[in-house]
Amino acid sequence: QQQVKQSPQSLIVQKGGISIINCAYENTAFDYFPWYQQFPGKGPALLIAIRPDVSEKKEGRFTISFNKSAKQFSLHIMDSQPGDSATYFCAAPIRGGATNKLIFGTGTLLAVQP
Amino acid sequence: GAVVSQHPSWVICKSGTSVKIECRSLDFQATTMFWYRQFPKQSLMLMATSNEGSKATYEQGVEKDKFLINHASLTLSTLTVTSAHPEDSSFYICSAWSDTDTGELFFGEGSRLTVL
Repeated sequence: QQQVKQSPQSLIVQKGGISIINCAYENTAFDYFPWYQQFPGKGPALLIAIRPDVSEKKEGRFTISFNKSAKQFSLHIMDSQPGDSATYFCAAPIRGGATNKLIFGTGTLLAVQP
Repeated sequence: GAVVSQHPSWVICKSGTSVKIECRSLDFQATTMFWYRQFPKQSLMLMATSNEGSKATYEQGVEKDKFLINHASLTLSTLTVTSAHPEDSSFYICSAWSDTDTGELFFGEGSRLTVL
């Protein structure tokens, strides 16, 4: 099965700092690259996603940067806050039979220290 | 955004029994739903694709006879873990595309299964 490689596995950032998480993919069914945020005991929640018509998307403190030629995309969290402490997953769509499905990266555990 | 609901949110059962988990799309219709499995501190692994009105499609290595999936309507998919054993203890999460399969993928809150 195709993979989505995510790094780092864990990240510790001081409050107010910048958190950066990277992902690389192989091939995709279409250009759609979401980031999910997951708190312990909860299902993942869509945080932000980018489509191919732009190379960068910003929503508040969260920014996705996309490099199609390198098949890489990254999540930047500006002014990181303790409430951002969670596990972050990137994902990419692949074709599976009659439908598209999402394959997830290995996850990054982010801890923002006050 | 689209809402996907799961029930129960957690369940404890004895080894050898079967457990059913429901996944509902509350404000949209979903011809396709996905079931993921997540072990502690690990990523989400796709188990199967649930197809309304037809058989589910299972990922490689997933036992279809152990994980029975039924997608009886456009808003409901069920996952039944048959003859559960302790190694089946995990976090099971369902999801569905909000619109077409090029839209947004939304997840339920997950169901924590513990097999004693």
